[in-house]
Amino acid sequence: SQQGEEDPQALSIQEGENATMNCSYKTSINNLQWYRQNSGRGLVHLILIRSNEREKHSGRLRVTLDTSKKSSSLLITASRAADTASYFCATGNTGTASKLTFGTGTRLQVML
Amino acid sequence: DAGITQSPRHKVTETGTPVTLRCHQTENHRYMYWYRQDPGHGLRLIHYSYGVKDTDKGEVSDGYSVSRSKTEDFLLTLESATSSQTSVYFCAISDRKQGAGYGYTFGSGTRLTVV
Repeated sequence: SQQGEEDPQALSIQEGENATMNCSYKTSINNLQWYRQNSGRGLVHLILIRSNEREKHSGRLRVTLDTSKKSSSLLITASRAADTASYFCATGNTGTASKLTFGTGTRLQVML
Repeated sequence: DAGITQSPRHKVTETGTPVTLRCHQTENHRYMYWYRQDPGHGLRLIHYSYGVKDTDKGEVSDGYSVSRSKTEDFLLTLESATSSQTSVYFCAISDRKQGAGYGYTFGSGTRLTVV
């Protein structure tokens, strides 16, 4: 079963708008990561937030983590057409040593 | 993707035949992973390796086996391919547990069709 569940499943916005995607998970984590996947390509790592952090920024990306609610959000500000992709959260869970568990993803379309 | 190569990129095979997919890395990373990606399921872990000859099962390991005889190569074998194994297969590498450093680096994927 998936650890992370993204919401919404699909999101369509205009260029220049902000895009927010949410991820909920079920068990205690060591870290949570976000990845982007362009159509037909592999996933690309965007950002990692550790369980003792609440917010992290990287360029136009802002990630928040609320461990009490077992949820995270990814905000992309001033979106561009090139941001069109699927976005996945992945959790590194306590006790599972080496592996990440991925969610089902949010498909983002940024329209010109 | 730089440092990680999957082969073949596309393969069509018949039900019941064995199939081996290869993941090759030049990063000298300790951890290697095989995932499959299917619509509605996201990425699901098949097997992973935490060192040469050290492997473990993921959540969807039935019907798959792996081998890692060298740091740079991680092979995924479908012993007897079935139509339910039609999927896109991704290999990923990491230098730390759970991608704790810079996350996973993914290959470009192998699209496998079992007819």
